[in-house]
Amino acid sequence: KQEVTQIPAALSVPEGENLVLNCSFTDSAIYNLQWFRQDPGKGLTSLLLIQSSQREQTSGRLNASLDKSSGRSTLYIAASQPGDSATYLCAVSVTGTASKLTFGTGTRLQVTL
Amino acid sequence: DAGVIQSPRHEVTEMGQEVTLRCKPISGHNSLFWYRQTMMRGLELLIYFNNNVPIDDSGMPEDRFSAKMPNASFSTLKIQPSEPRDSAVYFCASSFHPDRKYNEQFFGPGTRLTVL
Repeated sequence: KQEVTQIPAALSVPEGENLVLNCSFTDSAIYNLQWFRQDPGKGLTSLLLIQSSQREQTSGRLNASLDKSSGRSTLYIAASQPGDSATYLCAVSVTGTASKLTFGTGTRLQVTL
Repeated sequence: DAGVIQSPRHEVTEMGQEVTLRCKPISGHNSLFWYRQTMMRGLELLIYFNNNVPIDDSGMPEDRFSAKMPNASFSTLKIQPSEPRDSAVYFCASSFHPDRKYNEQFFGPGTRLTVL
């Protein structure tokens, strides 16, 4: 059974700092990995999707990397801003059941002024 | 595009009552997913449909839960009878068919259900 873990569970950084969020998964036979952002009381917003054949994806100040063999992904946020404060979730779908996403527990990020 | 639309946004009901949650996926998407989010268990997939057909309902917790997708633009998740432990945020998401290269899932705003 696929298990997804995110470390740390919570993180507080001052504005302007670069930061890395970690995601690990137990079954390396993944189809893709997706990073989401969730604001309090809101739904999930898709940030980046990495296919299993890819190593990384970039969108603005965000860069996500994938190392399938070691079962890890990182989300790098450059020059953090208070507006980046949210919970970040990673989710993987496994080969053969490409539609089924298994979510991590999330990292709650706070960027302070 | 309006994105995935869910209604109601908030629902408060009493134990034993029937609850129906509604979802309209993004036009052109042919996969639809129902998730539940709680503090204790995080986000869990309940059921998903491809081309209006239920593919995997192994996440549906009990027979009290049922889901339908009568057409490509509408789905319902029904709980009958509801119990306090069903209190959670229920999300609907949609995507293109998984055979497409990029099957990114797009989430609705959720329905916050409280069962008293």
